[in-house]
Amino acid sequence: EIVLTQSPGTLSLSPGERATLSCRASQSVSNNYLAWYQQKLGQAPRLLIYGASNRATAIPDRFSGSGSGTDFTLTISRLEPDDFAVYYCQQYGSSPTFGQGTKLEIK
Amino acid sequence: QVQLVQSGAEVKKPGASVKVSCKASEYSFTAYYIHWVRQAPGQGLEWMGWINPNSGGTKYAEKFQGRVTMTSDTSSNTAYMELRRLRSDDTAVYYCARGLQFFDSAEILQHWGQGTLVTVSS
Repeated sequence: EIVLTQSPGTLSLSPGERATLSCRASQSVSNNYLAWYQQKLGQAPRLLIYGASNRATAIPDRFSGSGSGTDFTLTISRLEPDDFAVYYCQQYGSSPTFGQGTKLEIK
Repeated sequence: QVQLVQSGAEVKKPGASVKVSCKASEYSFTAYYIHWVRQAPGQGLEWMGWINPNSGGTKYAEKFQGRVTMTSDTSSNTAYMELRRLRSDDTAVYYCARGLQFFDSAEILQHWGQGTLVTVSS
């Protein structure tokens, strides 16, 4: 099983700032099959990025994904109030697993 | 727009079974895999498996093999997930989700149901 470790656990930033979230895999993710999801309290997750860098439908271009192999990054270029949530990475190159999440909170 | 509407909350005793439904609408039900993911209170996400509504084929996470069954009914565009021999640590919100790409098993979860809380308690 591929273990995904996200860092930091909590990220405190202000609207307008840039957010950088990390996801590290215990072994290489096949074909860079790595996705990112946003989840707000009491809601289902929302797909943001798949294939490490492809934005899902209707996702603003301030969200971008990068990385390959074992190291992946989700960047939010200019935070808006609606962006404060929990973010999960997920690999689907083998039996799917999720990271433990990064909570993005307002500073 | 694509909708996945799940059945209501359940309370079960340890050792019992639960069956959660997921009714799909506004897309071709047989063209996309349905996945099931759960989330224990305050915890992260855990993928349980998928079903191909076109063929009835399934793939389960190893952890749930022997205890979960996923089925679908194409006449009502509804997918089901049954979990047996429930334990207290099965208490979670169970989500169904539709895959991103048609006729593709890749576990990219684009559309999600609203979730069903299953509580296991004596």
